[in-house]
Amino acid sequence: NAGVTQTPKFQVLKTGQSMTLQCAQDMNHNSMYWYRQDPGMGLRLIYYSASEGTTDKGEVPNGYNVSRLNKREFSLRLESAAPSQTSVYFCASSDRYGYTFGSGTRLTVV
Amino acid sequence: AQTVTQSQPEMSVQEAETVTLSCTYDTSESDYYLFWYKQPPSRQMILVIRQEAYKQQNATENRFSVNFQKAAKSFSLKISDSQLGDAAMYFCAYSPILNSGAGSYQLTFGKGTKLSVIP
Repeated sequence: NAGVTQTPKFQVLKTGQSMTLQCAQDMNHNSMYWYRQDPGMGLRLIYYSASEGTTDKGEVPNGYNVSRLNKREFSLRLESAAPSQTSVYFCASSDRYGYTFGSGTRLTVV
Repeated sequence: AQTVTQSQPEMSVQEAETVTLSCTYDTSESDYYLFWYKQPPSRQMILVIRQEAYKQQNATENRFSVNFQKAAKSFSLKISDSQLGDAAMYFCAYSPILNSGAGSYQLTFGKGTKLSVIP
């Protein structure tokens, strides 16, 4: 089925470790996003890419970097993970009709 | 900065009854989009309904409808004939129209309302 695929679905990191969350969409959407969801909160925008070759900061970008590898792929990197980055991470893509979300990555930093 | 407020952290409804979830938002923009998303325990984010601010008519999708009051900056979701499968977290979200032609939105979410459906 067409959609947004995130890997991995679960991850446990130690403080200070690095990792990259992968996201790919096959919907030919121009725009892609990374959000995080914390308990009792809605989703908050980390970074977005309005089109291939561009990236911009969202509401909570500190501690993260992103790469728009091509039109399909948009990765999120944690260079030195901190316990405050324990969260559920959602990738999404959009066209003029709205968003399609991935199924999320539950990341725990211990 | 835009804010979205959902004042009801939890609500419950009897199966087959109607329930209304509240949402207010703050913006200085005149044109924007509003959304309701459903998040079941599977954690998948599912679009329920979308409203374009320039449209006076309230959006409707089957059993789901909204009451959009632009002047009051209110955007409530009504679920009719509630079903067990409607049990989920519901998030209200706002997006300015930055580049609608390219389909680029930045969503600001409320904190959500947990809806329980009682058999």
